Amino acid sequence: AQSVTQPDIHITVSEGASLELRCNYSYGATPYLFWYVQSPGQGLQLLLKYFSGDTLVQGIKGFEAEFKRSQSSFNLRKPSVHWSDAAEYFCAVGAHSGTYKYIFGTGTRLKVLA
Amino acid sequence: DTGVSQNPRHKITKRGQNVTFRCDPISEHNRLYWYRQTLGQGPEFLTYFQNEAQLEKSRLLSDRFSAERPKGSFSTLEIQRTEQGDSAMYLCASTSPDKWETQYFGPGTRLLVL
Repeated sequence: AQSVTQPDIHITVSEGASLELRCNYSYGATPYLFWYVQSPGQGLQLLLKYFSGDTLVQGIKGFEAEFKRSQSSFNLRKPSVHWSDAAEYFCAVGAHSGTYKYIFGTGTRLKVLA
Repeated sequence: DTGVSQNPRHKITKRGQNVTFRCDPISEHNRLYWYRQTLGQGPEFLTYFQNEAQLEKSRLLSDRFSAERPKGSFSTLEIQRTEQGDSAMYLCASTSPDKWETQYFGPGTRLLVL
């Protein structure tokens, strides 16, 4: 069955520090992978996506993610975190056929210390 | 491109009442999705429309839930005889015909059932 695991429920980093949010997926083929960010009370904003090709993808707001097939992972990274990055981050797998619906992880809440 | 809009943004109702939410997708987006997000969880797929046809419904969508997209544009999600367990954020997303892999989300409707 398709699934997404985000093992870290909460992460706290200091402003200016680097960040890595983990995502592991289970999918029968090469998945479509996404990272979304959600600020309190808001909808989801797409940060970046991976479909094929270069396994290191760049997104908005200085984020990047690396697809590692051997580890079934798609971790999100940022070299220097800003206070405005505090939010909840969701990793998702998109189905290849049929409805193309998404399966989301449970999210990682990021807190940034000044 | 004005984005996906949802109304109302917040709804408080008493148990047993009926509620209806509206989603207006991005213009010319033919696919529309509804998701439900409870506290501390990622969004979960509820249902999917391609144009006016409802092509898939999740097991999460009990008989008290009904969704429509009568003219292939906006969509409504109705919950009859609401229960406290229906309290959640209801998210709508849409995709374009040529970029069906990427879903654009609205701000959501937060429902509180007392």
